[in-house]
Amino acid sequence: QVQLVQSGAEVKKPGASVKVSCKASGYTFTGYYMHWVRQAPGQGLEWMGRISPNSGGTNYAQKFQGRVTMTRDTSISTAYMELSSLRSDDTAVYYCARDMRLRLGYWGQGTLVTVSS
Amino acid sequence: DIQMTQSPSSLSASVGDRVTITCQASQDISNYLNWYQQKPGKAPKLLIYDASNLETGVPSRFSGGGSGTDFTFTISSLQPEDIATYYCQQCDNLPYTFGQGTKLEIK
Repeated sequence: QVQLVQSGAEVKKPGASVKVSCKASGYTFTGYYMHWVRQAPGQGLEWMGRISPNSGGTNYAQKFQGRVTMTRDTSISTAYMELSSLRSDDTAVYYCARDMRLRLGYWGQGTLVTVSS
Repeated sequence: DIQMTQSPSSLSASVGDRVTITCQASQDISNYLNWYQQKPGKAPKLLIYDASNLETGVPSRFSGGGSGTDFTFTISSLQPEDIATYYCQQCDNLPYTFGQGTKLEIK
């Protein structure tokens, strides 16, 4: 069965970077885009971008351009999302989600990133 | 970017009621519209894809419709376990934007 297991919660200071991992299992990792979505406390869902695990090609939401980097390591079926120059309003739960023909059919459990001085 | 406008933002209904949520896209997205359910502290769950297709394993009381710019999501008979926040999402154009969500409560 498809599983996406994310890394644990992080606490970062403003200006720092965070790198969240998403380990995939139960399917061919290179066969499907991986998306990243975040949710600030009490707020809605916000699409951040996606990566093709096959080619490494990425598409980012304009809002995060220049601050976000999505990568992957196909040898361990893991996708990564790194966000830099963290601010307090980056405090959120970050989810990875696997594409399934233009829908997000499988989600990780989420990783809470807290940005606080 | 395509803007997705959901309404209402919150809704209170009784068990057994028929509940409908609407989602409007700022431009034509054909049928590339998905609906997700999110319960507190949990990841979202896909319920409906391509506007009207029920994801495998999802109860048949959930349904979706529409195309172009106007879409609906319906629960035919509300159950206590349906208490959640529901989101629409367009996957026609990048970025794949979400609606702001509809919080559903039991009256």
